[in-house]
Amino acid sequence: EAQVTQNPRYLITVTGKKLTVTCSQNMNHEYMSWYRQDPGLGLRQIYYSMNVEVTDKGDVPEGYKVSRKEKRNFPLILESPSPNQTSLYFCASSLWGAGSYNEQFFGPGTRLTVL
Amino acid sequence: QKEVEQDPGPLSVPEGAIVSLNCTYSNSAFQYFMWYRQYSRKGPELLMYTYSSGNKEDGRFTAQVDKSSKYISLFIRDSQPSDSATYLCAMRAGGTSYGKLTFGQGTILTVHP
Repeated sequence: EAQVTQNPRYLITVTGKKLTVTCSQNMNHEYMSWYRQDPGLGLRQIYYSMNVEVTDKGDVPEGYKVSRKEKRNFPLILESPSPNQTSLYFCASSLWGAGSYNEQFFGPGTRLTVL
Repeated sequence: QKEVEQDPGPLSVPEGAIVSLNCTYSNSAFQYFMWYRQYSRKGPELLMYTYSSGNKEDGRFTAQVDKSSKYISLFIRDSQPSDSATYLCAMRAGGTSYGKLTFGQGTILTVHP
């Protein structure tokens, strides 16, 4: 089944404890992206990657890191999480191309709570 | 001021009603306009997208873009309870900004039988 998977789905952690949220897709998509969703603010893009070893900042990159060493994986790293990073996180992927970027396939989401 | 503004609702309509969802934006570089639907506890999924100005129809759904007014709309005809979801508009520019996507806040829609 074609899908985007995220792990973990739920995570409660404490301030300053480094964590990684993994994202993997099995559709051979070139493009991958991370978003956070907060009430009243909608989805906001954190980072995106057009292909392996190519990443760029979205609208809210502060406090996050990403890497794209393999086509299928795009982990999100929080080196020193803070309570304002408590949110619902989505990973998405799409094929490469002007029209293709419009159809992004989203993962099921990761609910992160930072105490 | 946000680049994309969307009335969060919530919007509650009876089954069979015509629903109108709207977004305004400020960035004149936006060229691609999308509508995503998000069911509770799920990730968003694409409903339809439009390039530049004009209308696009897909079954009960019609998307309209008016670039001169920086205003986009999604119309749902003969709404069904299964249409109950959060609807998110999204936009992006072309050129070197292909990968950057900006979403509205989302409108919560409930269609009651």
